[in-house]
Amino acid sequence: EVQLVESGGGLVQPGGSLRLSCVASGFTFSNYWMHWVRQAPGKGLVWVSRVKSDGSTIDYADSVKGRFTISRDNAKNTLYLQMNSLRAEDTALYYCARGEITAVGPFALWGQGSLVIVSS
Amino acid sequence: DIVMTQSPGSLALSLGERATINCRSSQSVLYSSNSKNYLAWYQQKLGQPPKVLIYWASTRASGVPERFSGSGSGTDFTLTISSLQAEDVAVYYCQHYYTSPYTFGQGTKLEIK
Repeated sequence: EVQLVESGGGLVQPGGSLRLSCVASGFTFSNYWMHWVRQAPGKGLVWVSRVKSDGSTIDYADSVKGRFTISRDNAKNTLYLQMNSLRAEDTALYYCARGEITAVGPFALWGQGSLVIVSS
Repeated sequence: DIVMTQSPGSLALSLGERATINCRSSQSVLYSSNSKNYLAWYQQKLGQPPKVLIYWASTRASGVPERFSGSGSGTDFTLTISSLQAEDVAVYYCQHYYTSPYTFGQGTKLEIK
């Protein structure tokens, strides 16, 4: 089955760190750009970061630049998001999403999300 | 960054009615070299991840009912549901993928009257 499964979310104090994982199955993970998108409770979708199929190109939203690090391990079919210096406004459901083989295209496959709550 | 603005913010229609959701980008998402609009529409039902409905502004994704259609070019786009069904209750988002950051519109909540 073609799917993405996120894990690693939880409750963390402001200033803390958390690492999210997204395991891909049912397709050739190493061919695709991958993205993280977040959604605060009751709010809209916000693109967070992307990484090229081979990990050579990475981009971030300004709101997370310098604090979050995206990476991937193609041998393990896994995408990561290392989140440091977390703030209350980072509280959200974090989705991993599959892009396209080329740099541009819609997000045709999404995981169910991993909830991150930043609170003291 | 390209800003995506959707209207209306919410919509309540009767079953069988036509739904129209608009999306405007702060700059053109039409790539002149291939004449493609780098614009997608997503549907998000309560408690579920988003699902792509339309990409390249007007191409219906696999398995999406024909009542969903996308139109527009450059900076102005429309998602149309020709005859509203009960299962179409959701929040709809437009998104550009012209360049990073791939911003989304703020969403349009569609309800049954």
